[in-house]
Amino acid sequence: DAKTTQPNSMESNEEEPVHLPCNHSTISGTDYIHWYRQLPSQGPEYVIHGLTSNVNNRMASLAIAEDRKSSTLILHRATLRDAAVYYCILRPDQTGANNLFFGTGTRLTVIP
Amino acid sequence: KAGVTQTPRYLIKTRGQQVTLSCSPISGHRSVSWYQQTPGQGLQFLFEYFSETQRNKGNFPGRFSGRQFSNSRSEMNVSTLELGDSALYLCASSSISNTGELFFGEGSRLTVL
Repeated sequence: DAKTTQPNSMESNEEEPVHLPCNHSTISGTDYIHWYRQLPSQGPEYVIHGLTSNVNNRMASLAIAEDRKSSTLILHRATLRDAAVYYCILRPDQTGANNLFFGTGTRLTVIP
Repeated sequence: KAGVTQTPRYLIKTRGQQVTLSCSPISGHRSVSWYQQTPGQGLQFLFEYFSETQRNKGNFPGRFSGRQFSNSRSEMNVSTLELGDSALYLCASSSISNTGELFFGEGSRLTVL
């Protein structure tokens, strides 16, 4: 399974933008890039996913490098509620590929 | 619509006992996946069920088993509990989309004494 590499931790000031990087140099052509986050004492929560083009939704933006070997999750204005562990995951484009490999993720601390 | 519901939320067992955890997926979702989360190993995939059939299985011993019912509700069972089975067990449901996101419940926290 293709794996991802993320920094263990990052800090951000409240109301500042946050760029969370992810390297996935062994990504295959059919792998989607998914991001989840896990707030304290909760199950993981889907954030965003993309294949080749940059994606935006109400929670975040996903910027994908042209060679797809890396991506960046962008939180436009960090809030205290965004403090969580963020996981970058590769998911094959196939039925039943829900055996996701979460890795260790990036623990984001938001400073008031 | 209601989210993924897991019961019980907390439970304490002793070594050698067995435990059954329950998961009700989001209405209309037919896939249910189970994950184990521990401080040392992080989130690890246990198994996935779709239409009452196990579709994927992670690298866990046979003491860990599961099943899915016709209404998509799922249960997982751990027999002959060991101290190392203490963990947060998370259930996630998804639609049939190939790229669909997983919707996780809040988990069942198992403590084995």
